[in-house]
Amino acid sequence: DQQVKQNSPSLSVQEGRISILNCDYTNSMFDYFLWYKKYPAEGPTFLISISSIKDKNEDGRFTVFLNKSAKHLSLHIVPSQPGDSAVYFCAASGGGGGGADGLTFGKGTHLIIQP
Amino acid sequence: DAGVIQSPRHEVTEMGQEVTLRCKPISGHDYLFWYRQTMMRGLELLIYFNNNVPIDDSGMPEDRFSAKMPNASFSTLKIQPSEPRDSAVYFCASSTIPFGGYTFGSGTRLTVV
Repeated sequence: DQQVKQNSPSLSVQEGRISILNCDYTNSMFDYFLWYKKYPAEGPTFLISISSIKDKNEDGRFTVFLNKSAKHLSLHIVPSQPGDSAVYFCAASGGGGGGADGLTFGKGTHLIIQP
Repeated sequence: DAGVIQSPRHEVTEMGQEVTLRCKPISGHDYLFWYRQTMMRGLELLIYFNNNVPIDDSGMPEDRFSAKMPNASFSTLKIQPSEPRDSAVYFCASSTIPFGGYTFGSGTRLTVV
């Protein structure tokens, strides 16, 4: 059973517009959430994270929003650039408090930025 | 730092053969993780180590899979005997904390025919 779900396998956005990637989770013990970005033939690279004590974290063009009551988080990229085309993974940890179980990943969303 | 180094990048082997994947974590990172990526299951945690000690191997799919970390700079994931359903990309990651900020290697693409 997938504890972290990314229901959109792909998303196409025009350059300059906002990209919104969504993620839902089922485990209420998760308390730390991350987004990773992956280019073909490379490993995932860390992008941004958020703790459950916050509802928003911003880093440049990237903002992550957390809605704990809905068990939902989203990644906003604005403005979207061609180099943002990649697969984005949502990840969560903290089952049991302290993240001893490592990160649980979603299946990823392939973001395509069109010129 | 060269990052997390995995070898080989690609491995093609015949069913029944032994396969060994290798990983060199970032120096100073106390945690090492092995993940497997497939289309069906996405990225799934197989096993992780803290200070060279295996902490959680509940994600290892079968006894055919084993992992070792003989020292702080080297880990192996072994599959014996390999089967076609083991075909996947295997990632190694290291970190200073267990719950985030992982640095991943470039992965090993394993194909078992």
